[in-house]
This record gives sequence, structure tokens and C-alpha cells, in this order.
Amino acid sequence: KQEVTQIPAALSVPEGENLVLNCSFTDSAIYNLQWFRQDPGKGLTSLLLIQSSQREQTSGRLNASLDKSSGRSTLYIAASQPGDSATYLCAVRKDSNYQLIWGAGTKLIIKP
Amino acid sequence: DAGITQSPRHKVTETGTPVTLRCHQTENHRYMYWYRQDPGHGLRLIHYSYGVKDTDKGEVSDGYSVSRSKTEDFLLTLESATSSQTSVYFCAIRGLPANTGELFFGEGSRLTVL
Repeated sequence: KQEVTQIPAALSVPEGENLVLNCSFTDSAIYNLQWFRQDPGKGLTSLLLIQSSQREQTSGRLNASLDKSSGRSTLYIAASQPGDSATYLCAVRKDSNYQLIWGAGTKLIIKP
Repeated sequence: DAGITQSPRHKVTETGTPVTLRCHQTENHRYMYWYRQDPGHGLRLIHYSYGVKDTDKGEVSDGYSVSRSKTEDFLLTLESATSSQTSVYFCAIRGLPANTGELFFGEGSRLTVL
């Protein structure tokens, strides 16, 4: 059974730092992996989608990597800003018709 | 913007009353989903739809039913609401191309059952 883990559950860093959020999964046979952010009281915003054949995806200051063999994805945020404060969730899809398996999220606080 | 609208956004109701939440999308997506989000449980899939009148159960479907009579609307019904169904409910759609599997979410509907 696929399990997705995000550690740490919470992270607080000063503004301007580069940081890495981690997502681990137990079964390397995945279809894709998606990163989301969620602001308090809001819905989830899709950040990056990495297909199983890809190693990384980039969007602005965000870079997500995927290493299936080690069961790990990282979300790299460059030059963090207070507006990056949110909960970040990763989710793994087993195949094109399978449902997402969710991590519990990392709550990120960027201190001005 | 995936054009997803959920209504109502907030609702307070009493135990035993029926409740219907609506998810409306404007971009003709085939796949639609209902999730609930609770502290300590994360996101859990309730029901999903892969076309008009085609629906299937998720991991926490007991006490919920869904209907999809039109492509653009996916309704979630609690026939007789219970306090355990107090939650935030999110609708999601699978973007195009559908084989990428990328999900987009609505803003959520906060339901309180007293």
C-alpha cells in the first residue's frame, strides 16, 4: 500500500533563505506526483506536476525534483518571501485512473 | 483558474437535515471529485465522477451520495447530516489533457453540523 510522508510537519525560516520541503513515498511505481500549496481557509493551488518519466519541473522560484528509485520528491523554494507562508502538500498517483495518495503537508512560515 | 465554483461556501445545519453541496465548472472537464479535509486526516476522497451519470465511491463514501446530470455540475448530498460530517469539502477537477492527472481545486465549502 502506497504511503506518502512529509517531514517536517512544520518549518519556520527567515525571509530570503532557500529551503527544501520533502515528500517520501513507499512504492516507486508511480504515475506522477503533484505539489500543492494551501493558504489558511482556502482551497489548494496546484504548483507543479512531475510525470514519472521526468526528473524535475520548474516554475519561477519553485523547483520540484523526483527520484523514484529512492521514493523521494523535493520542493525547492528559492529566496523565500513571507507570501510563501502556507501549507505545502504533495500527492502521488499510482496510474492514470488511480486516485491520489496524499501527504499530511508541511506548514511553512517565512519570518520577515 | 480552472473555473470551479462551489456553493454554498459556508453552511450551518442541524443533525438529521439533508444538505446538498454544489460544484460547478465552466470548462467541460470530464473528471470531477469531492474531498473532505479534516485536521489529523488530511484530504480524503468521498466520491468522484468520470462523466455524466458515471460516478464511483472513494474511501469515505458512507453517508454521502452524488449526482452528475450535466457535465458542469457535480452535487454532493448528505441525506441526513451528522456531526461527524462537519468538515471542509473541496471539489476538484482533472485538468486537460486528462492523462496528465493534474488536479485543480475549488475554494471549499465549510459545513458545520450542530
